[in-house]
Amino acid sequence: DTEVTQTPKHLVMGMTNKKSLKCEQHMGHRAMYWYKQKAKKPPELMFVYSYEKLSINESVPSRFSPECPNSSLLNLHLHALQPEDSALYLCASSQNPATSGGTYNEQFFGPGTRLTVL
Amino acid sequence: KNEVEQSPQNLTAQEGEFITINCSYSVGISALHWLQQHPGGGIVSLFMLSSGKKKHGRLIATINIQEKHSSLHITASHPRDSAVYICAVRASGTYKYIFGTGTRLKVLA
Repeated sequence: DTEVTQTPKHLVMGMTNKKSLKCEQHMGHRAMYWYKQKAKKPPELMFVYSYEKLSINESVPSRFSPECPNSSLLNLHLHALQPEDSALYLCASSQNPATSGGTYNEQFFGPGTRLTVL
Repeated sequence: KNEVEQSPQNLTAQEGEFITINCSYSVGISALHWLQQHPGGGIVSLFMLSSGKKKHGRLIATINIQEKHSSLHITASHPRDSAVYICAVRASGTYKYIFGTGTRLKVLA
């Protein structure tokens, strides 16, 4: 299984709603990532989880709350979002986020969740 | 100036044409990743390179580490190849990808 799955595919929510995005991988990867992608722009990194612990938060507003319940699953909890948060949210995973010389870790991306905030 | 530059930004080709997309970068890297994204869709990994050349079907990717340049070639292009092609580099000593702005390819039947 070399797939990263994301649910839901599409989500429409109001600014007062609370919703969650889900990402799952069964490749035994120990690093998982959340990206936000606006139209015609490259993805922007939001969070990195390494061995189920949050290792990087790219100064993301607190209305986005990530959670990694186990090594296969990554959630993104959404609360009090703004219309400008409407975007494609991509999840990715890699074997590990090691930065030691000579190794590289290919990131495998999911299909994304298209989020619209009204 | 972006650390990862792609050219061209937009490309329209006729079915069957040979296509080249270029990526230049200004940082030291541990690897370079070519990705494909269809409109409104998720990202598919095409190649990850740290040296030389890789081939998969009609796609060929090359990298020249000394010149800090990579190319993605598509032979016998087909309308289903229409997508955005993104070059992303993994800078040395970091977990982060630095993404290029993408090349929008449209292949006409």
